[in-house]
Amino acid sequence: DVKVTQSSRYLVKRTGEKVFLECVQDMDHENMFWYRQDPGLGLRLIYFSYDVKMKEKGDIPEGYSVSREKKERFSLILESASTNQTSMYLCASSYLGQGSGQPQHFGDGTRLSIL
Amino acid sequence: SQQGEEDPQALSIQEGENATMNCSYKTSINNLQWYRQNSGRGLVHLILIRSNEREKHSGRLRVTLDTSKKSSSLLITASRAADTASYFCATANYGGATNKLIFGTGTLLAVQP
Repeated sequence: DVKVTQSSRYLVKRTGEKVFLECVQDMDHENMFWYRQDPGLGLRLIYFSYDVKMKEKGDIPEGYSVSREKKERFSLILESASTNQTSMYLCASSYLGQGSGQPQHFGDGTRLSIL
Repeated sequence: SQQGEEDPQALSIQEGENATMNCSYKTSINNLQWYRQNSGRGLVHLILIRSNEREKHSGRLRVTLDTSKKSSSLLITASRAADTASYFCATANYGGATNKLIFGTGTLLAVQP
């Protein structure tokens, strides 16, 4: 089974801190994704990556950056955390495949609180 | 940008009943997928239906797709308390090359024992 592991289930940080969320997948997937999930808004894509050192902005990239130095690891960085970044963060991975829309495999999420 | 919109937002049924959730989307798609999310956990992929398919089954799940109406439905038959979860549809847009999916806002299903 595919395993996507997020480093923390719960995280509490202070306003202005630089925050790192880590995600590791063990299935050699080319694609990796970071979403945030808020009540009533569903999942919104922050950034995704289709190869090592490659990244593309999603729908809400402001205030975030990402790093993919190795194929299995995709990190989300909050440059200067703010209270409106309190949310559930979900990491996912998928094969590149032929054609678009391969199924995604998700980690269990990190519930981040910014005080 | 939201592509899929699920309906209803919340659904409460008794164990043994069938549950039907609907999803509408806006643009041409390559495929549509349904996911399940238990409280406080990540999403789990349930089923994928391609744009040239009209119906697909997997165990107690039945998915239909009507591309002329840009809509899909997920039917869970003989529901169990363990089916209690949020269900999301996600679309892969036609011609997309990045495997990006666009998720809807979800239907919260509560199955009463």
